Amino acid sequence: NAGVTQTPKFRVLKTGQSMTLLCAQDMNHEYMYWYRQDPGMGLRLIHYSVGEGTTAKGEVPDGYNVSRLKKQNFLLGLESAAPSQTSVYFCASRWDSNSPLHFGNGTRLTVT
Amino acid sequence: AQSVSQHNHHVILSEAASLELGCNYSYGGTVNLFWYVQYPGQHLQLLLKYFSGDPLVKGIKGFEAEFIKSKFSFNLRKPSVQWSDTAEYFCAVKGPAGKSTFGDGTTLTVKP
Repeated sequence: NAGVTQTPKFRVLKTGQSMTLLCAQDMNHEYMYWYRQDPGMGLRLIHYSVGEGTTAKGEVPDGYNVSRLKKQNFLLGLESAAPSQTSVYFCASRWDSNSPLHFGNGTRLTVT
Repeated sequence: AQSVSQHNHHVILSEAASLELGCNYSYGGTVNLFWYVQYPGQHLQLLLKYFSGDPLVKGIKGFEAEFIKSKFSFNLRKPSVQWSDTAEYFCAVKGPAGKSTFGDGTTLTVKP
């Protein structure tokens, strides 16, 4: 049982480059989330999805886009990376709105 | 908007000492409260949760938390910590659409 899988684990980008982070879950969860974790700031919600084909903005959505074309996948895109987007990104999913979050192992992104 | 405040940013204890980590939240609706733990180099995982009923909830590894509605608090406790409890601890409140708001986290260091 893989749970929530994030790829890649590490990435270094130059300012202005683009990339996509992939999150895949095999638990048939409806809800999926992208968070960023920065020292002293906890986890901040970037975007989330309450079901296939739906997305919504979280607390810090600027500079990011997402897509949920398939229920099991939630993609996070950076169109033009900036140093301020250097962070650890966590994907999470949950069965319904009341159940606990299941987290992936994170992606450490550095933008130079 | 919901918010979570964790008062202790870094706690250092010796093994066998008792632990209490503070968490206060603000949210006008029915609260679902969670504590997550992040061991070094790992992803977040659920420690315990409160939805309703007995305000004293027990989680894994001997942790417990008490929901005090009048104080908007959900403090985490453990009678006797171990070196293996060294980790970062996050309090979270779940709001509408399953969005969870996290506190900034408390780093616990347990000295052997």
